[in-house]
Amino acid sequence: DAKTTQPTSMDCAEGRAANLPCNHSTISGNEYVYWYRQIHSQGPQYIIHGLKNNETNEMASLIITEDRKSSTLILPHATLRDTAVYYCIVWWINDMRFGAGTRLTVKP
Amino acid sequence: DSGVTQTPKHLITATGQRVTLRCSPRSGDLSVYWYQQSLDQGLQFLIHYYNGEERAKGNILERFSAQQFPDLHSELNLSSLELGDSALYFCASSASLGDRGEAFFGQGTRLTVV
Repeated sequence: DAKTTQPTSMDCAEGRAANLPCNHSTISGNEYVYWYRQIHSQGPQYIIHGLKNNETNEMASLIITEDRKSSTLILPHATLRDTAVYYCIVWWINDMRFGAGTRLTVKP
Repeated sequence: DSGVTQTPKHLITATGQRVTLRCSPRSGDLSVYWYQQSLDQGLQFLIHYYNGEERAKGNILERFSAQQFPDLHSELNLSSLELGDSALYFCASSASLGDRGEAFFGQGTRLTVV
C-alpha cells in the first residue's frame, strides 16, 4: 500500500502557483520523496525528488518539512498543460508504490 | 522521450489467451518495474527486477509472470487472460535499486481482452 496521503483533486488558475501537499508521516530515514505526474494515459513523468532539503529544478520546487512527515510540490506558474494527476511517492529501494494522487486542473 | 521502450503499444486478444509484453530499459539501467493501470485507476505495482533478479513483488496474479534477461530487457507474461486484465501496462527503469536517482516510464502497452 502507498505510504502517502494526497488530496483527491485541486484546481488552480492559469499563471498562478499550484501548491500540492502530501503527507508521509511514516517515512523512514532512507526514503526519498518523489513526485511524478501523469497526463491522460501517458506514462508517468518524473518531476522532482528530495531527501530532506528543499529542491528546485526547471519544472518545480519541492518543500519538505523539517520532520519529513509532509511535503509540498510547487509549480510556480501553472499552465493548462500542467493539468494532470500528480503522485507523491516515498521510495528508497525495491518497490515504488503509487497512491491515488491528486488530480490538478488548471483553469483559464 | 524517456528512453524506455515498450512493445507492442496496443494489443487485442481473446479471453483465455496468453500474451507477452516487452520492455527495453534505458541504456545502462539495471532496474525494471512493472505496473498495471486499469481504467481510471491508479498504478498498481506488480514486480521489480534488478540485474536479472526479482527484488520485490506487489499485487501480481499467479497467472502473470515476468523475467529480466541478460541484456536487461524484461518481459511480462500474462496467461489465461480475463476481461478484467484489460488495462494499461507500464514499465519503468532506473539506474540502480532505487536508492538514488529517478525512474523513467515507458509509454505503456494497452491490453484489451475481448
